[in-house]
Amino acid sequence: RKEVEQDPGPFNVPEGATVAFNCTYSNSASQSFFWYRQDCRKEPKLLMSVYSSGNEDGRFTAQLNRASQYISLLIRDSKLSDSATYLCVVNAGGGSQGNLIFGKGTKLSVKP
Amino acid sequence: EPEVTQTPSHQVTQMGQEVILRCVPISNHLYFYWYRQILGQKVEFLVSFYNNEISEKSEIFDDQFSVERPDGSNFTLKIRSTKLEDSAMYFCASKSGSYNEQFFGPGTRLTVL
Repeated sequence: RKEVEQDPGPFNVPEGATVAFNCTYSNSASQSFFWYRQDCRKEPKLLMSVYSSGNEDGRFTAQLNRASQYISLLIRDSKLSDSATYLCVVNAGGGSQGNLIFGKGTKLSVKP
Repeated sequence: EPEVTQTPSHQVTQMGQEVILRCVPISNHLYFYWYRQILGQKVEFLVSFYNNEISEKSEIFDDQFSVERPDGSNFTLKIRSTKLEDSAMYFCASKSGSYNEQFFGPGTRLTVL
């Protein structure tokens, strides 16, 4: 069974804090990795793709360890607007047309 | 910025009725998907569609479900005889190429009474 496991959360942090989310995936054939964010009762929105070399987008840094099948997301200098559920997502791999496997998500609440 | 659109935003139906959920993917995209999310649970893949045919479907996508791309813009999901457990948020997604990110529509909230 192809699964994506995430920190259960919730994470309650003050503004300005640094917070890290972790994720593991079971399907070694997965080729593409993403972090999406989802606001309450809204659609998942792509935050960033995750590459083997690691990548950074402003305050957000994503890392991938293929050997350990582990993905992480670091958010620096948290803002109130970062409050959302963060979804670790991998593609199903194995020649599929790229359907995505989602984790249950980790809820982040940034307080003033 | 181009976006995926979905209609209706909320559909209420009686058990056993047929529903059609509509999606307009981003115009130059070639790969289309339906996902669902039951309240409080994770997003689950239903079906993928490419080159005018289903390319993959999950166990959830049984004979009660069908998809269609009737013209160059719309992509529909039909549930023939809805069940209570079909109540969920249904998201349409599209992407331009094999290794590109998927972009999601705002979803249709389906409530089966």
